[in-house]
Amino acid sequence: GQNIDQPTEMTATEGAIVQINCTYQTSGFNGLFWYQQHAGEAPTFLSYNVLDGLEEKGRFSSFLSRSKGYSYLLLKELQMKDSASYLCASSGGYQKVTFGTGTKLQVIP
Amino acid sequence: DAGVIQSPRHEVTEMGQEVTLRCKPISGHNSLFWYRQTMMRGLELLIYFNNNVPIDDSGMPEDRFSAKMPNASFSTLKIQPSEPRDSAVYFCASSEVQGAFRETQYFGPGTRLLVL
Repeated sequence: GQNIDQPTEMTATEGAIVQINCTYQTSGFNGLFWYQQHAGEAPTFLSYNVLDGLEEKGRFSSFLSRSKGYSYLLLKELQMKDSASYLCASSGGYQKVTFGTGTKLQVIP
Repeated sequence: DAGVIQSPRHEVTEMGQEVTLRCKPISGHNSLFWYRQTMMRGLELLIYFNNNVPIDDSGMPEDRFSAKMPNASFSTLKIQPSEPRDSAVYFCASSEVQGAFRETQYFGPGTRLLVL
């Protein structure tokens, strides 16, 4: 089966760093996605981790520990436009991706 | 690229009516997904197709929901009869099965459905 857990809401200050955690229990785990979704819009791809470790992509980084069933998304130098929901999603089989309910991040001045 | 195209963008209907949602995937993508998103349940996978064949429809709520993919460039999700609890945003997404990011899904803008 598939089970994903992430915090419902977070608040952070502009210019700061925020870490959004995600734990998963996924049979036949392949990899872990992070998507960003602004209010009223569709989810857009941020990152995909298959191997353990940290992958950096500009201000955003994503970490995966397969043995612990744990991932996090790290956002640096926060900007107001980063206010959005961040969806953790696990891939547990051929093309089957299960999404968490998302973490709503509010960036305040 | 045009991206994933969905129509209509908004739909308001009355309980009991038939609703048909349409999706055109990105050209060259061979997998297509239908999701439903609500505040309470988040993003739920309803069904997905690979090479026009339904692979997993275990997320389809009940017999009132049906989906088809008659060719590689078109899919429909039909609700008949519709009920107020079907009110949600319905997303279509597509992906290709090649390369390091073979599972990355690209989402359409969604159809906002309200059943009165």
